[in-house]
Amino acid sequence: TQLLEQSPQFLSIQEGENLTVYCNSSSVFSSLQWYRQEPGEGPVLLVTVVTGGEVKKLKRLTFQFGDARKDSSLHITAAQPGDTGLYLCAGHGSSNTGKLIFGQGTTLQVKP
Amino acid sequence: DAGVTQSPTHLIKTRGQQVTLRCSPKSGHDTVSWYQQALGQGPQFIFQYYEEEERQRGNFPDRFSGHQFPNYSSELNVNALLLGDSALYLCASSWGDRFPEAFFGQGTRLTVV
Repeated sequence: TQLLEQSPQFLSIQEGENLTVYCNSSSVFSSLQWYRQEPGEGPVLLVTVVTGGEVKKLKRLTFQFGDARKDSSLHITAAQPGDTGLYLCAGHGSSNTGKLIFGQGTTLQVKP
Repeated sequence: DAGVTQSPTHLIKTRGQQVTLRCSPKSGHDTVSWYQQALGQGPQFIFQYYEEEERQRGNFPDRFSGHQFPNYSSELNVNALLLGDSALYLCASSWGDRFPEAFFGQGTRLTVV
């Protein structure tokens, strides 16, 4: 069974601070995705990483896929209150048909 | 483009009852997946429908069943509801086989009392 472990589960920081969220597994994933979910809404895709060692940037967000494709990280620079939400990593199962295996999520609160 | 739409948005049912949730996929998408998300947790895969057939299934009991219609819309049925079935049920649609991007609806919040 493929599992994804996210850490930390909760994060409360001040505006302007930097943070990193980790997503780890003992299994190899074909790809990893990061989603952001706000209360009462469905998850919204932020990025997909496919190649081991790949780094993608989305404004103040930097995503990295581990060389062995077993882990990923999300780094936010100079966090803003608008970054508050639930961050989820998700991996595609071995069949690559769209089934997503999600981590348990990291709840981020950025205080003004 | 309306995106993925789910109905109803909220629902309260009694233990032992049956419930049907509905999903209309994003225009152009042919694959629908259903997920269950407990409070404070990540979504758990229930099953996926493609070409009106269940293509993959997660670790959920047979009380959970589904259907996909020729227009790609889908239903999730849950029989003999338990208190533990209370959760946010998410529908995601996608297209294509290689790491498809999943678009999620806003979910249906089911409360079983």
